[in-house]
Amino acid sequence: DAKTTQPPSMDCAEGRAANLPCNHSTISGNEYVYWYRQIHSQGPQYIIHGLKNNETNEMASLIITEDRKSSTLILPHATLRDTAVYYCIVINTNAGKSTFGDGTTLTVKP
Amino acid sequence: DTEVTQTPKHLVMGMTNKKSLKCEQHMGHRAMYWYKQKAKKPPELMFVYSYEKLSINESVPSRFSPECPNSSLLNLHLHALQPEDSALYLCASSQEPRYGYTFGSGTRLTVV
Repeated sequence: DAKTTQPPSMDCAEGRAANLPCNHSTISGNEYVYWYRQIHSQGPQYIIHGLKNNETNEMASLIITEDRKSSTLILPHATLRDTAVYYCIVINTNAGKSTFGDGTTLTVKP
Repeated sequence: DTEVTQTPKHLVMGMTNKKSLKCEQHMGHRAMYWYKQKAKKPPELMFVYSYEKLSINESVPSRFSPECPNSSLLNLHLHALQPEDSALYLCASSQEPRYGYTFGSGTRLTVV
């Protein structure tokens, strides 16, 4: 299973874009990249996912490099409520297994 | 209904007790999962059920016993736990893995 590497922590000013990187250099062709976040030890909340194309939804954008070895989650206008642990996850669609990285603690500051 | 419901939210049990955690979803998802999360750590996969059959057991000790009575319900039976088993236990479900998971809010377990 592919592993993911994320920086342990990042700060972002309120109203600015937050760019969270993830390295998944051993990803294979049938593995999707997912981003979740977790606030105050609640259950992880889905943000966005992709296979090889860039994706955008109402919460965020996901940029995946052409070789698929890394990706970046973009929160376009971070708010204080976006303070959370963000997990980049690679999901093996054949095996149904997922591997969580250690996550990035994003702190949005006023 | 787009939720995964876990009960109880909090549980304190002694090392000789037997207790069960419950997880329920009514989204028609075919796969259900148990994760264990220690403080300040990412969730770790424990079990995967696919079409009500156990498909993955990540070498979990036998004091944890999963059960999937039907496609909407997943239980985790606990017996003779140790204090180090204290953690947040998360349940998740998915239609197919490539569609990602919906997580419940978890059960905070404390073993005394």
